[in-house]
Amino acid sequence: SAVISQKPSRDICQRGTSLTIQCQVDSQVTMMFWYRQQPGQSLTLIATANQGSEATYESGFVIDKFPISRPNLTFSTLTVSNMSPEDSSIYLCSAAGQGDNQPQHFGDGTRLSIL
Amino acid sequence: GENVEQHPSTLSVQEGDSAVIKCTYSDSASNYFPWYKQELGKGPQLIIDIRSNVGEKKDQRIAVTLNKTAKHFSLHITETQPEDSAVYFCAASIWDMRFGAGTRLTVKP
Repeated sequence: SAVISQKPSRDICQRGTSLTIQCQVDSQVTMMFWYRQQPGQSLTLIATANQGSEATYESGFVIDKFPISRPNLTFSTLTVSNMSPEDSSIYLCSAAGQGDNQPQHFGDGTRLSIL
Repeated sequence: GENVEQHPSTLSVQEGDSAVIKCTYSDSASNYFPWYKQELGKGPQLIIDIRSNVGEKKDQRIAVTLNKTAKHFSLHITETQPEDSAVYFCAASIWDMRFGAGTRLTVKP
């Protein structure tokens, strides 16, 4: 299975600033996803990162707040913009191979705290 | 959209006992059902999955069963060990994946 690395692993940021999270996969993958996980909660899909086109966002998440890049088949970034304390969460990247319903494998996440 | 319910939210067992976690889903079109184990400070790790054309799948001490008619699936862990202690998530997928709320499993030595 693919190995997924996320950077940074954690950060503490000031409100109003932006942070970009990087996700690197050790092999080419078709699908990459970004999730948010509040402490002690389940995973909520933010968006699907599409290579060569705009990301597909879930209801409640918008591109201006969470811009996503996917320049190639092994790398994606998620930016959390104009952060507020409500954005404090764990942000997770996952990747899956080609085809319907391929297993998703996750990175260890980025733990973000906003002061 | 798909809605996945997971029970129980917490489960405590003695080492060596079995543990069962149950999930139900709402959309009969869902056709892929993975289970993830998440340890503290780590991302979710895929431990077993099942597709809608299969009723049961086993991998050593872990098994998953699927009842498509009733729209529920279960994770069974036998001979539990302290290292099985973690949060377990079920998920159901058509095109995208929806997760259950999670079960915190504690295995007491």
